[in-house]
Amino acid sequence: DAGVIQSPRHEVTEMGQEVTLRCKPISGHNSLFWYRQTMMRGLELLIYFNNNVPIDDSGMPEDRFSAKMPNASFSTLKIQPSEPRDSAVYFCASTARHEAFFGQGTRLTVV
Amino acid sequence: AQSVTQLDSQVPVFEEAPVELRCNYSSSVSVYLFWYVQYPNQGLQLLLKYLSGSTLVKSINGFEAEFNKSQTSFHLRKPSVHISDTAEYFCAVTPAGGGKLIFGQGTELSVKP
Repeated sequence: DAGVIQSPRHEVTEMGQEVTLRCKPISGHNSLFWYRQTMMRGLELLIYFNNNVPIDDSGMPEDRFSAKMPNASFSTLKIQPSEPRDSAVYFCASTARHEAFFGQGTRLTVV
Repeated sequence: AQSVTQLDSQVPVFEEAPVELRCNYSSSVSVYLFWYVQYPNQGLQLLLKYLSGSTLVKSINGFEAEFNKSQTSFHLRKPSVHISDTAEYFCAVTPAGGGKLIFGQGTELSVKP
């Protein structure tokens, strides 16, 4: 298995633009997590899904953020409109047998 | 709700010296505990986990952690570190019945020659 795949690896966008981050979890894993990592706040849980259903989105910072999981093999995290303070590394992780497997992350820079 | 506190943000240590990275957690329910490692520009990788049974768990590369329920701690130790152990280490907790996986702020381990 190729592991958790995130795309793009790097994204630079202008303030106000829409940004979509993508994640393909490992086949057979039934939970998926989105995290944001910054120097100031560390690793924050944004939202998690179980069997494609959003279970807890209390970590989503604002209405500008939304996440979907239309099927077991794909999830998106969208920011609209983006702001400079959204600059961070965004990680997706899928879990099996109490172990989370992380993707390589998407480094987002909003200028 | 669960929370995790890593007491040291940075730990510098010389090669071949022992090291301990401290982790305390808070939870009103039974939990599973984890240590993850992150190398530069990479995602997190599982280092070791405590689910049940023996309170001392070990990784393949010489790290170990001990679950202490009375002190709500899960400290990570290694008797002799290598340069290659330089990385950021994260302690994490999740309810045993399933749910959020919450991470501490991370501890940057820097091993110097």
